[in-house]
Amino acid sequence: DAGVTQSPTHLIKTRGQQVTLRCSPISGHKSVSWYQQVLGQGPQFIFQYYEKEERGRGNFPDRFSARQFPNYSSELNVNALLLGDSALYLCASSLLRDYNEQFFGPGTRLTVL
Amino acid sequence: AQSVTQLDSQVPVFEEAPVELRCNYSSSVSVYLFWYVQYPNQGLQLLLKYLSGSTLVKGINGFEAEFNKSQTSFHLRKPSVHISDTAEYFCAVSGYNQAGTALIFGKGTTLSVSS
Repeated sequence: DAGVTQSPTHLIKTRGQQVTLRCSPISGHKSVSWYQQVLGQGPQFIFQYYEKEERGRGNFPDRFSARQFPNYSSELNVNALLLGDSALYLCASSLLRDYNEQFFGPGTRLTVL
Repeated sequence: AQSVTQLDSQVPVFEEAPVELRCNYSSSVSVYLFWYVQYPNQGLQLLLKYLSGSTLVKGINGFEAEFNKSQTSFHLRKPSVHISDTAEYFCAVSGYNQAGTALIFGKGTTLSVSS
């Protein structure tokens, strides 16, 4: 079975631009979570979606938004990019909302210049 | 609020030596505990998890961890490491909180195995 997939692998943007990152969960998984990992730090929770509804949100500004589609894939959008948004963005999927064994994708490396 | 503290940012060790990576957590609710490994330029791979039951948890690649509720610790151990174990290791806690069932990660421990 395919694991969690993310696209693109790498992305370079300039300050003020907008970016969309994509994630496809493991087949059958209905929950998708997004994490930001700044270099040298542990991942930080951004969003969790379950059955297409937002179930949790971390301490991130409103420039960050996400959605989940009927096929359970998900997009993370970041507007008005700042230099500090440069990070590895990780997507994780899990089977159920409350059983939190999460399976991570390889991530999208975003560089903001 | 939940939090995770990984007590060592870097752990250098020689091949075939034992290793322990330390993790303390704080939580006001029941928790699930996890250890993940991250190899360079890759995502996170689950090593092992504690959900309930036996406090000694065995994972992949010969790793094990012990849940100690009284000391709020979940230390990761391996009796004999290999060069290939060189990676970043993250302890994480999950439980019901305002952010749903998010994973809260520590800052990571870099394990460097040399010959």
